[in-house]
Amino acid sequence: DAKTTQPNSMESNEEEPVHLPCNHSTISGTDYIHWYRQLPSQGPEYVIHGLTSNVNNRMASLAIAEDRKSSTLILHRATLRDAAVYYCILRDGSQGGSEKLVFGKGTKLTVNP
Amino acid sequence: ETGVTQTPRHLVMGMTNKKSLKCEQHLGHNAMYWYKQSAKKPLELMFVYNFKEQTENNSVPSRFSPECPNSSHLFLHLHTLQPEDSALYLCASSQGLGGTQETQYFGPGTRLLVL
Repeated sequence: DAKTTQPNSMESNEEEPVHLPCNHSTISGTDYIHWYRQLPSQGPEYVIHGLTSNVNNRMASLAIAEDRKSSTLILHRATLRDAAVYYCILRDGSQGGSEKLVFGKGTKLTVNP
Repeated sequence: ETGVTQTPRHLVMGMTNKKSLKCEQHLGHNAMYWYKQSAKKPLELMFVYNFKEQTENNSVPSRFSPECPNSSHLFLHLHTLQPEDSALYLCASSQGLGGTQETQYFGPGTRLLVL
């Protein structure tokens, strides 16, 4: 599986935007970029995913670099409930691609009131 | 969110006990997964089932025995565990395997302590 690199931790203030970076320089053409997050004492939850174009949903936005070697998860207005570990994961989108979700250490986001 | 439920939420067992973890998904998915999350380590995939058939065993010791009687239920039978098996055990499901179908939905986990 192609690897991702994320900062260990980040801090933000409540109601401010948060940009969580992810580097994936060895990404292949069929790899989708997925983001999950894990709130304290809970299982991970899906946030967003994309292939080439930027994506928006009710939780966040995903900005993908033109060369696809990096991406940024954007939380437009952080709330205290967004404090979690955020995981950037590459998924093989080709037919017969691996079903594995390979979690790294992620970025622990702290949101200050 | 009650899409994927797990019972029990907490479990304490001795090394000679036999116990089972249960997972149920109400999402109509075909694939189910067991993950292990130890303290200070990333989530590790243990088993994958698709349409009740096991498609992945990630070199898991035989003291962990999965069972998938149907696409909605997944069990993890535990016997003669070791203290280092103490961890959060997470169940997940997805519509299928591969590509954009691979959004996985996780349960809340079972916190296991082996004494």
